[in-house]
Amino acid sequence: GQNIDQPTEMTATEGAIVQINCTYQTSGFNGLFWYQQHAGEAPTFLSYNVLDGLEEKGRFSSFLSRSKGYSYLLLKELQMKDSASYLCASMDSNYQLIWGAGTKLIIKP
Amino acid sequence: DVKVTQSSRYLVKRTGEKVFLECVQDMDHENMFWYRQDPGLGLRLIYFSYDVKMKEKGDIPEGYSVSREKKERFSLILESASTNQTSMYLCASSLIISGANVLTFGAGSRLTVL
Repeated sequence: GQNIDQPTEMTATEGAIVQINCTYQTSGFNGLFWYQQHAGEAPTFLSYNVLDGLEEKGRFSSFLSRSKGYSYLLLKELQMKDSASYLCASMDSNYQLIWGAGTKLIIKP
Repeated sequence: DVKVTQSSRYLVKRTGEKVFLECVQDMDHENMFWYRQDPGLGLRLIYFSYDVKMKEKGDIPEGYSVSREKKERFSLILESASTNQTSMYLCASSLIISGANVLTFGAGSRLTVL
């Protein structure tokens, strides 16, 4: 079957680090995406992982373990503007995306 | 700056009305998609298109139809709107780059059906 799970909501403090987890079960798995969506706005692409390991992009990093069906998005030096929903999506062998419900991240001063 | 533009940000319609949601992209992308986004649920694919005049059903096509007469334009049609179609509708286009189907989204159209 196809399934994606991620926490509904997380809270973190400005300047801190937060890790948002995502587990997936996807037939013909072919990669894992993270998108950021501010309230009332379009989702925007953050990262794509297809091989195991950590990909770093500035303050944001994304990790994938294919054998465990697991990914996380790591946000460092949190800023108030990082308050948003973070969407995890797996891609199958037909390039179709299966989306998680999103994790709402609340940043407190 | 590349763009996906949705014609209406907010619409209010009555049950039984026909509703058109328009989406235009300026990136010359082959692929276009319509999703709906509801609280507590992941994005759900309604229809997609990989070429002009081509359409494929997604996971929840019932009650919807689409039209792609030109490469840059993908329209979603609700033939007879119902209250359970109240939702945020997101259009996206994509290009497959190095095996990754990277979607660019429009800002969304929030539809309320009374």
